[in-house]
Amino acid sequence: DARVTQTPRDKVTEMGQEVTMRCQPILGHNTVFWYRQTMMQGLELLAYFRNRAPLDDSGMPKDRFSAEMPDATLATLKIQPSEPRDSAVYFCASVVATEAFFGQGTRLTVV
Amino acid sequence: DAKTTQPPSMDCAEGRAANLPCNHSTISGNEYVYWYRQIHSQGPQYIIHGLKNNETNEMASLIITEDRKSSTLILPHATLRDTAVYYCIVRVSNFGNEKLTFGTGTRLTIIP
Repeated sequence: DARVTQTPRDKVTEMGQEVTMRCQPILGHNTVFWYRQTMMQGLELLAYFRNRAPLDDSGMPKDRFSAEMPDATLATLKIQPSEPRDSAVYFCASVVATEAFFGQGTRLTVV
Repeated sequence: DAKTTQPPSMDCAEGRAANLPCNHSTISGNEYVYWYRQIHSQGPQYIIHGLKNNETNEMASLIITEDRKSSTLILPHATLRDTAVYYCIVRVSNFGNEKLTFGTGTRLTIIP
């Protein structure tokens, strides 16, 4: 059963620390989305990649966030330094044809 | 992407058909209607999509009006596990260079 795997599932960190979230897309899917979800803002698109190249990261705060796809089996989202307002659930989605498959998310709490 | 309008919440009795409406009056001729749902604390899940013809799969049916300005997602026999937030999205069916943008959706509650 192919699925998108995100790690860690939960992360609690102190303000100012670096946070790295990882996503393993489904093998063969060449497009990956990163979303952030909060109660106030809902699901926000942060960035997406096609064939490992960034297509659009306009939804991402550039000063502290960075997204990369070092290879076809790994996408990363990094926050440095983290702030309490970054607390949210971060989802990645792996896309084939017309369907996006979402991971279970990383719940980030910055204290 | 065209904007969609959905009611914020709906209730449906278990075993009955749940009909979720979506207005997309500014949809372009090449834009599809997609439906996703998000069960509490899980990632969104694809349900169905269509262009202008009605569509049906194992999860749901999608009815699109002839003028394509609105659509209805139908869950034929709702169960408690269908309680979720349902998102209607319109977009060109080309994920290669196309964003998938979520609105606020409809929170569907299935009542025992």
